Amino acid sequence: DGGITQSPKYLFRKEGQNVTLSCEQNLNHDAMYWYRQDPGQGLRLIYYSQIVNDFQKGDIAEGYSVSREKKESFPLTVTSAQKNPTAFYLCASSIGRGDQFFGPGTRLTVL
Amino acid sequence: AQSVTQPDIHITVSEGASLELRCNYSYGATPYLFWYVQSPGQGLQLLLKYFSGDTLVQGIKGFEAEFKRSQSSFNLRKPSVHWSDAAEYFCAVGAERGGSNYKLTFGKGTLLTVNP
Repeated sequence: DGGITQSPKYLFRKEGQNVTLSCEQNLNHDAMYWYRQDPGQGLRLIYYSQIVNDFQKGDIAEGYSVSREKKESFPLTVTSAQKNPTAFYLCASSIGRGDQFFGPGTRLTVL
Repeated sequence: AQSVTQPDIHITVSEGASLELRCNYSYGATPYLFWYVQSPGQGLQLLLKYFSGDTLVQGIKGFEAEFKRSQSSFNLRKPSVHWSDAAEYFCAVGAERGGSNYKLTFGKGTLLTVNP
């Protein structure tokens, strides 16, 4: 079955450590996205990529980094520069006009 | 820049009652509008979308939405709510990014509780 997988589902990190969240899709979609979700805040765009080896900052890119070396993969690194990283992170992909398909999410908690 | 307002943070309805979730948008051009649903701890699922044409759009799970340009609104409706509809609902507006893919701006969501 085609879809988006995110791993791990839960992630715990010590303050000051970098951590990488995985996102893989087998939908053959060109575009991929990372969102951050906080309670009562909706979804905010961190980074997006429309094609391999190219990506753009979203609205809240500070403290995050991404790579897009393969069409099916778009990992997100939460760096120690991110001041408040505890959140629910959602990956999405799309082809064409905005039909974004979402993964199940990763909940990151900083201890 | 585009924006989305969902005026109701939390709505409670009884099972079998009708439902309307409000969404107002701000965008300088013709908007592309979406409604997504999220169950607790899960990803988002697309309910329906509006690109052009008929202003009343039908979606999955018996939901529909009506685009009203004069009111900058895209309200979601369902004639009879089921207990399984309890979830958080997000309205989003899409902006073209110089290609065929769109950047979505989401509202803050409306949490729906369904009483038996």
